[in-house]
Amino acid sequence: QKEVEQNSGPLSVPEGAIASLNCTYSDRGSQSFFWYRQYSGKSPELIMFIYSNGDKEDGRFTAQLNKASQYVSLLIRDSQPSDSATYLCAVNMNGNQFYFGTGTSLTVIP
Amino acid sequence: KAGVTQTPRYLIKTRGQQVTLSCSPISGHRSVSWYQQTPGQGLQFLFEYFSETQRNKGNFPGRFSGRQFSNSRSEMNVSTLELGDSALYLCASSGGWRETQYFGPGTRLLVL
Repeated sequence: QKEVEQNSGPLSVPEGAIASLNCTYSDRGSQSFFWYRQYSGKSPELIMFIYSNGDKEDGRFTAQLNKASQYVSLLIRDSQPSDSATYLCAVNMNGNQFYFGTGTSLTVIP
Repeated sequence: KAGVTQTPRYLIKTRGQQVTLSCSPISGHRSVSWYQQTPGQGLQFLFEYFSETQRNKGNFPGRFSGRQFSNSRSEMNVSTLELGDSALYLCASSGGWRETQYFGPGTRLLVL
């Protein structure tokens, strides 16, 4: 089992819809969880981090964490074509070692 | 604050050569991590340096090495380049609570 798993997609949603991205992780003791966005040919850019169970909202983005289920998700409301990118889930395990999922490719269709 | 900088941005080398990549972290950050990203493998962790000491290491051959200087700048070296080393090499710096990682723009290496 990989440390961090994501559905690679591609995920396509119409403009204005909600995009839902999911991630599971293997280490039950993990404390820090991150979502990065990566445009083609660019480096990953931090969108959000979450440490506590529940929801955390930042503008159109909501991160959800369920430690009991070892599950973290990212919701993007009112999706825009500019949101089309690959979204990487990352988990800080074993001290300061980050483990990344392989990413979910999102396309927002105008 | 200035972000993470990486030099050079692009590099073309031939098999058997060696290469050195440089990363300057965000001011005040003492941890620097290096990743290799390829289309098929995603982000692969190479190693992490904290206060000039290698703190974590991924599963890469010994041809990949790194170091960190007292000003937290880090270099990564790849010796005896192979075609499969063609990739985007990313550096991330972190510091402070929870050690959130911030990425530099990357160095795109092409091995011919």
